Amino acid sequence: NAGVTQTPKFQVLKTGQSMTLQCAQDMNHNSMYWYRQDPGMGLRLIYYSASEGTTDKGEVPNGYNVSRLNKREFSLRLESAAPSQTSVYFCASREAHGWGAGETQYFGPGTRLLVL
Amino acid sequence: KNEVEQSPQNLTAQEGEFITINCSYSVGISALHWLQQHPGGGIVSLFMLSSGKKKHGRLIATINIQEKHSSLHITASHPRDSAVYICAVPNTGNQFYFGTGTSLTVIP
Repeated sequence: NAGVTQTPKFQVLKTGQSMTLQCAQDMNHNSMYWYRQDPGMGLRLIYYSASEGTTDKGEVPNGYNVSRLNKREFSLRLESAAPSQTSVYFCASREAHGWGAGETQYFGPGTRLLVL
Repeated sequence: KNEVEQSPQNLTAQEGEFITINCSYSVGISALHWLQQHPGGGIVSLFMLSSGKKKHGRLIATINIQEKHSSLHITASHPRDSAVYICAVPNTGNQFYFGTGTSLTVIP
């Protein structure tokens, strides 16, 4: 299993450019997440998808859109990048262990995005 | 208001020292997670625990549900333990609250 994969690993954008971050998992998990990580702020949820065909806003959704293309893939799109979106982006999927047994999150390697 | 608070934010230790990282949370939980983020950036799950104590090698995690507190201990610390350690708790909506992390540096 490859686990959770993300592309690209690094990206530099100019203000106003658009791009899509790709994420895929091969563990048959229903739930997938997009986080951003900024110094001193920890991981913050941008969007999540509880299952194929559903998406919901997280803590910091402004400036982003997502698509849950199928069970494997969950993409994050920046329509018009801004310097405030300079961050490290992590995709994750969640494995539920059954009622009362908790869960485990699996993270992708991250995408470092710089917006100039 | 942060649902999850970690301390200390930064920690420097000499190789071989016993290390403790603390996590306090304010919400009711089914389980608490400890994550490790290495300098390269990747995040891996270390522990999920809902009561008592768990041990993996030199790492020990404990939780006190009544006091809403968990600790991560590292015995005989080694430079390869240098990483950011993150505490996380799930909410009722299949999401997680994350602490801001504890940056650990172990000096040879």
